[in-house]
Amino acid sequence: GAGVSQTPSNKVTEKGKYVELRCDPISGHTALYWYRQSLGQGPEFLIYFQGTGAADDSGLPNDRFFAVRPEGSVSTLKIQRTERGDSAVYLCASSLSSNQPQHFGDGTRLSIL
Amino acid sequence: QKEVEQDPGPLSVPEGAIVSLNCTYSNSAFQYFMWYRQYSRKGPELLMYTYSSGNKEDGRFTAQVDKSSKYISLFIRDSQPSDSATYLCAMSLNQAGTALIFGKGTTLSVSS
Repeated sequence: GAGVSQTPSNKVTEKGKYVELRCDPISGHTALYWYRQSLGQGPEFLIYFQGTGAADDSGLPNDRFFAVRPEGSVSTLKIQRTERGDSAVYLCASSLSSNQPQHFGDGTRLSIL
Repeated sequence: QKEVEQDPGPLSVPEGAIVSLNCTYSNSAFQYFMWYRQYSRKGPELLMYTYSSGNKEDGRFTAQVDKSSKYISLFIRDSQPSDSATYLCAMSLNQAGTALIFGKGTTLSVSS
């Protein structure tokens, strides 16, 4: 069956550019999460959606990061004025409902030159 | 001190060995505990999901939670080369819609 799908799998861009990362959750999953994983570290929470609304965005590092989920399915993580420190793997997870285990996609590997 | 501590390894064992992976944590409010397996350039894959103290077994895997000691373990019996991966412990305060707090992960290598 289809798992969480993330596109692109790799993204290389220059410092200062704008990037969008896409997440397609498992069909029927209402809860969606974004995490960021740096080399040698565990994933770190960014934001959680229940349906269309961001229920918890406490992990977003600053106002250059923003995420949307307009129809309660696909989500886009947007990063403005990218910095070299933003280089990491951005992981998306979804769960059937907010009280079910989270299942992860394979991530987008973002490199800022 | 980080909320979740996990020895990054690497840990190398021969095929067939019993593997013990561990995490300690500082926040006594954590209630839900998970183990994920992550292969290189892949996303974390859920292995075990437990609530509160006690043991849970699934095939060759056993998860243990000791809330009094703030210590969780994952045991892998009859380890296989295909078990070679990074193992991440994760925990959360509540079941519903809560951010997972991860350890750094332990890299395991099982040689045939």
